[in-house]
Amino acid sequence: DGGITQSPKYLFRKEGQNVTLSCEQNLNHDAMYWYRQDPGQGLRLIYYSQIVNDFQKGDIAEGYSVSREKKESFPLTVTSAQKNPTAFYLCACGGQQGLRYTFGSGTRLTVV
Amino acid sequence: DAKTTQPTSMDCAEGRAANLPCNHSTISGNEYVYWYRQIHSQGPQYIIHGLKNNETNEMASLIITEDRKSSTLILPHATLRDTAVYYCIVRVVPVGTGTASKLTFGTGTRLQVTL
Repeated sequence: DGGITQSPKYLFRKEGQNVTLSCEQNLNHDAMYWYRQDPGQGLRLIYYSQIVNDFQKGDIAEGYSVSREKKESFPLTVTSAQKNPTAFYLCACGGQQGLRYTFGSGTRLTVV
Repeated sequence: DAKTTQPTSMDCAEGRAANLPCNHSTISGNEYVYWYRQIHSQGPQYIIHGLKNNETNEMASLIITEDRKSSTLILPHATLRDTAVYYCIVRVVPVGTGTASKLTFGTGTRLQVTL
């Protein structure tokens, strides 16, 4: 089945540690996106990538980094510079000119 | 992108139609209306989109007013599994390669379907 996979579903890290969230898709979509969601809030765009080896900052990129070495993969690193990293992180992909996103099931990150 | 306004929450009895309104009074001529929903602790799911004609698919119907300043998402026979947050988004579909297709999600409408 084609789809988009995020792992792990739950992640716990100590404060000050970097952590990388995985996102893999086999839908052959060019564009991939990372969103953050806090309780009771909408989704906020962190980073997005339209093609391999290219990515742009979204609305809340500070404290995060990404890479896009392969079309299928768009990992997100939450660095120690992110002041409030505890959140629900969602990855999505979509056709380059389309707005019909397919979302992963999310990773819930808790920093203690 | 045009801003949208949705009620914070709505209730609907199971089996009845759920009508979710969205105001987008500043929508421009080339902006589409998209609807997504998010069931608790899952990623949002695409439902339907339209430009100016009414649209229907296996999940829902989308009714857009003639002046395009508002729209209504209709779930014809709501079930308990339709309980979710519903997001209305207006967005231009970008033309050309290398252009971004960023969606901005507001806080949506929390629909509670009850027995």
